[in-house]
Amino acid sequence: DAGVIQSPRHEVTEMGQEVTLRCKPISGHNSLFWYRQTMMRGLELLIYFNNNVPIDDSGMPEDRFSAKMPNASFSTLKIQPSEPRDSAVYFCASSFSRGGLNEQFFGPGTRLTVL
Amino acid sequence: QKEVEQNSGPLSVPEGAIASLNCTYSDRGSQSFFWYRQYSGKSPELIMFIYSNGDKEDGRFTAQLNKASQYVSLLIRDSQPSDSATYLCAVNMASNTGKLIFGQGTTLQVKP
Repeated sequence: DAGVIQSPRHEVTEMGQEVTLRCKPISGHNSLFWYRQTMMRGLELLIYFNNNVPIDDSGMPEDRFSAKMPNASFSTLKIQPSEPRDSAVYFCASSFSRGGLNEQFFGPGTRLTVL
Repeated sequence: QKEVEQNSGPLSVPEGAIASLNCTYSDRGSQSFFWYRQYSGKSPELIMFIYSNGDKEDGRFTAQLNKASQYVSLLIRDSQPSDSATYLCAVNMASNTGKLIFGQGTTLQVKP
């Protein structure tokens, strides 16, 4: 079985440019999560979807960040305009949520560098 | 107080010893608890979950949960250098159905 797929794996861009990160969750999973990880702040939840609907976006740092999930097999995280402080590893994770058991499986991540 | 707390370490143990990793959480109603392992430059990998008080064993790994004291631990028996990684504790809070709160992680170093 394919795990969570993310693209691109690495992205280097200049400040002010638009960045789009992509994620394909594990087939059959109904929840999708976007995280950001830095040395200083650790692993932070940005937003999560349940059945393609955004449930909690309280972790989205500001309006420059937006996320969509048009269908059960695809999600995007967009940063526009990007800033150097957005440099981090962005992970997508998915799970099949059922009551209190919600094992999340992570994709390989996208390492974003904003110059 | 952070919702999920771990000692950042590093925790250093000799090869063959038992490594004990601890995690405390603030929400008494939390339902399920997860341990992830993350190698440097890689993504977190789920290694165990537990939702009932007591111990759960899987090979060299044992997760222990004490809801009254609000802590969960991970024991690694016969530690190997390949166990050297950062271990993340994650908690499914009672108020959320799918959201996990992660601790900062404990770095484990197993020395040959």
